Amino acid sequence: EVQLVESGGGLVQPGGSLRLSCAASGFTFSSYWMSWVRQAPGKGLEWVANVKKDGSEKNYVDSVKGRFTISRDNAKNSLYLQMNSLRAEDTAVYYCAREIALRYWGQGTLVTVSS
Amino acid sequence: DVVMTQSPLSLSVTLGQPASISCRSSQSLVDSDGNTYLNWFQQRPGQSPRRLIYKVSNRDSGVPDRFSGSGSGTDFTLKISRVEAEDVGVYYCMQPTLWPPLTFGGGTKVDIK
Repeated sequence: EVQLVESGGGLVQPGGSLRLSCAASGFTFSSYWMSWVRQAPGKGLEWVANVKKDGSEKNYVDSVKGRFTISRDNAKNSLYLQMNSLRAEDTAVYYCAREIALRYWGQGTLVTVSS
Repeated sequence: DVVMTQSPLSLSVTLGQPASISCRSSQSLVDSDGNTYLNWFQQRPGQSPRRLIYKVSNRDSGVPDRFSGSGSGTDFTLKISRVEAEDVGVYYCMQPTLWPPLTFGGGTKVDIK
């Protein structure tokens, strides 16, 4: 059974940093692109970033470029999102999802940026 | 960026009746490989999104056959043949053809009349 479990969310002040993790199991992690997708409270879905199977290619939505970094550790079956210079508008539930077509999703982790 | 536009914003349906959601893309979603990549997701209240349909009309495993997808080019439709109580939620279309970025429609909320 495919499982994606996010962690690392919490309350952070504007300008602060947070690192999200996603633990994957039930499939060969190194065979798939992985994505982060977020959902602000009461709003729709927004793709944030993705990373190629071997980590050699990374893509970001414009609003997070230069502030967020996606990475992965295939030996640990884990996906990460380092978020710096956080803003109030980054407040959202962050989901990790498998592959470009977003076949499987985790349960999400809430990030709140507020003073 | 490809803009995905869904309509209606919300839909109130009687149990057992059909429902239809439209999704239009600002550019053709036909890939250079000849495939059209358009997915549909369901998000029930308080849950994570779940993919229902991929490549326009292919149902994911475990998805009831009352859900169907159709369309081509820039115009796509998700249909529920007979709405059940468990279908309440928000439905999103998403294109993984012309990326980055991957883009979603704004969502259509379905509830029971």
